[in-house]
Amino acid sequence: QQQVKQSPQSLIVQKGGISIINCAYENTAFDYFPWYQQFPGKGPALLIAIRPDVSEKKEGRFTISFNKSAKQFSLHIMDSQPGDSATYFCAAISGGSYIPTFGRGTSLIVHP
Amino acid sequence: NAGVTQTPKFQVLKTGQSMTLQCAQDMNHEYMSWYRQDPGMGLRLIHYSVGAGITDQGEVPNGYNVSRSTTEDFPLRLLSAAPSQTSVYFCASTDRRDNEQFFGPGTRLTVL
Repeated sequence: QQQVKQSPQSLIVQKGGISIINCAYENTAFDYFPWYQQFPGKGPALLIAIRPDVSEKKEGRFTISFNKSAKQFSLHIMDSQPGDSATYFCAAISGGSYIPTFGRGTSLIVHP
Repeated sequence: NAGVTQTPKFQVLKTGQSMTLQCAQDMNHEYMSWYRQDPGMGLRLIHYSVGAGITDQGEVPNGYNVSRSTTEDFPLRLLSAAPSQTSVYFCASTDRRDNEQFFGPGTRLTVL
C-alpha cells in the first residue's frame, strides 16, 4: 500500500521554467511533510519542509503548497536551473514517529 | 562534523557471500535507519533503531540483520547475499528535535 503517491515519475523543464511535483497522502495522522533532493551518486538531503498549519512555505526559488482538505502537497521550483537537475522525494511523517513515508521520487531534468 | 559516513562505497559480492555495511554518525542522534534504493521504487526502509540496544524491522527486512551497540554505529549485515539485494544502500540518522533525516553517501552493492 503506497501511502504517499508522487507524480510525475520524471519531468523535463527548460531553463527558467517552473517545475511542479505533486504528492498525495491518505493518512490524516501525517503532520510533517519534508522534501528531499538527491543528486546522482549522493544521498538525499532535506530541501524544504512544511507543517499543515500553513498553506505555503517559500525558501528562495522553492515553494511548498499544502492543501490539507485535499490531502495534497506540491513542490514548485521557480526559474528552474540546470543545477536543479536531481531526483526529488516527498515524504510524510506522523506525530510521534520519526520514520518518514517516502514517495517514489521524481527525476527532474532542466535543459539549458 | 563528518555527519553520516558509510563504508564501503562500492562492493561486489557473489551469491551466498556475507558482508557488513558500516554506518556511523557523529551528531549524537538516537534514531538511525537503513534504506535501499532501487529504480522506480524510491527509498524502502530495511531496519531502524531508536537508540542503542533497540532495533526494529522496516518494510523490507528479509535477508538483513542489524545491531546497535553504540549510539554512533549502526551496521547492516547481509547474511547470504542474493542477486535481489543488488541495490544502493543508504544509512540515515534523524534529529528528533525537528525530524530532519541526514543521509550518508550510500553503498552501491552488486550481487552476482
